[in-house]
Amino acid sequence: AQKITQTQPGMFVQEKEAVTLDCTYDTSDPSYGLFWYKQPSSGEMIFLIYQGSYDQQNATEGRYSLNFQKARKSANLVISASQLGDSAMYFCAMREDDRGSTLGRLYFGRGTQLTVWP
Amino acid sequence: GAVVSQHPSRVICKSGTSVKIECRSLDFQATTMFWYRQFPKQSLMLMATSNEGSKATYEQGVEKDKFLINHASLTLSTLTVTSAHPEDSSFYICSAGRGLAGGPGTDTQYFGPGTRLTVL
Repeated sequence: AQKITQTQPGMFVQEKEAVTLDCTYDTSDPSYGLFWYKQPSSGEMIFLIYQGSYDQQNATEGRYSLNFQKARKSANLVISASQLGDSAMYFCAMREDDRGSTLGRLYFGRGTQLTVWP
Repeated sequence: GAVVSQHPSRVICKSGTSVKIECRSLDFQATTMFWYRQFPKQSLMLMATSNEGSKATYEQGVEKDKFLINHASLTLSTLTVTSAHPEDSSFYICSAGRGLAGGPGTDTQYFGPGTRLTVL
């Protein structure tokens, strides 16, 4: 079974609007970490935000926030006030055993291509 | 934030030659580095986990003799694609795991800018 599922191959949003990128995950490990990365056309992977499975509050980093719903196993990324420069591929990723082995491998979803239009 | 570099950024080679890609953590020591491969418009696929001073751990289906990984120091890991063929053409990305800083779960993997390999 897929550990990370991103069901939106592409999303479009108008500049200055908010957009939500979906991510669901599958794990039986009680300790895990969830990540979002942005990959522009240049190819580099840019770390955006992290949420630990034991964190009580949703993570926020500037215009990025992670809507963490543990019971639903979802970790949606919300980008507020979209900018043209936000156009990129966005990947959701998970690392299991987050407290025991913080350097473990990441499992990636297929990604969502976000296009911001003026 | 942490910086990871990769060299070269692009390489074009003839079929049958070997290509070495370097991954360096510039401002921290990385006991673990990861090598990923990404085909166009697809996700990242983990190829192997590289641990400093020990043998790399390869994912199922990845040929160890074809993709040689060396992690000789805490700041450098290399991936050598031996006897490259056109089907090896891809985008190769490394990431470096930073040690605990600030508590469990607060560290993450930082990615290099990637190397685009084209085998003619």
